[in-house]
Amino acid sequence: GENVEQHPSTLSVQEGDSAVIKCTYSDSASNYFPWYKQELGKRPQLIIDIRSNVGEKKDQRIAVTLNKTAKHFSLHITETQPEDSAVYFCAAAGSSNTGKLIFGQGTTLQVKP
Amino acid sequence: DTAVSQTPKYLVTQMGNDKSIKCEQNLGHDTMYWYKQDSKKFLKIMFSYNNKELIINETVPNRFSPKSPDKAHLNLHINSLELGDSAVYFCASGPRQVGELFFGEGSRLTVL
Repeated sequence: GENVEQHPSTLSVQEGDSAVIKCTYSDSASNYFPWYKQELGKRPQLIIDIRSNVGEKKDQRIAVTLNKTAKHFSLHITETQPEDSAVYFCAAAGSSNTGKLIFGQGTTLQVKP
Repeated sequence: DTAVSQTPKYLVTQMGNDKSIKCEQNLGHDTMYWYKQDSKKFLKIMFSYNNKELIINETVPNRFSPKSPDKAHLNLHINSLELGDSAVYFCASGPRQVGELFFGEGSRLTVL
């Protein structure tokens, strides 16, 4: 069945360093890959997404790369700040075209001041 | 001016009871979802409705019954609550095709 694996489960960096979170997906027909940020006690919110016809997308300090051949995609956060501390989820849209998102297990990012 | 709102925010109840969570969206989306987030933070889809029609029904016990009276509302009723049902339940809405999902604030259910 559809599956999304996310690593690492926890990540601790110093303020100003970069953080990278990686995901692999199983359904080769997946065509949409969003990343969500969930602060403690809050709802998940979209921070960036990428579609399968694009290899890389950047928005200020965050970027996402996609390798469709290898079926993996990554989130890169540069110049991390304490307010980047949160749980980050990758997701992949299933091939059924119903809008269904399969989420990774989440990565808890801690940015130390 | 909340986009996706769900009530109640907290429920504490005894095993065996029945409870409902309500969700409403004012974004004009056709599709609404229920996701369950367990204690390990894992987000798992439960149901999806498109314009009042059930389109996704994951492997969820029959004790869970969603209802969509119109495309702006999606409710979740849970019968005979069990300890393992304790979780945060998120409602979300989005476009019919793949795109950004907008989540509600979540409803934290605790079954004692």
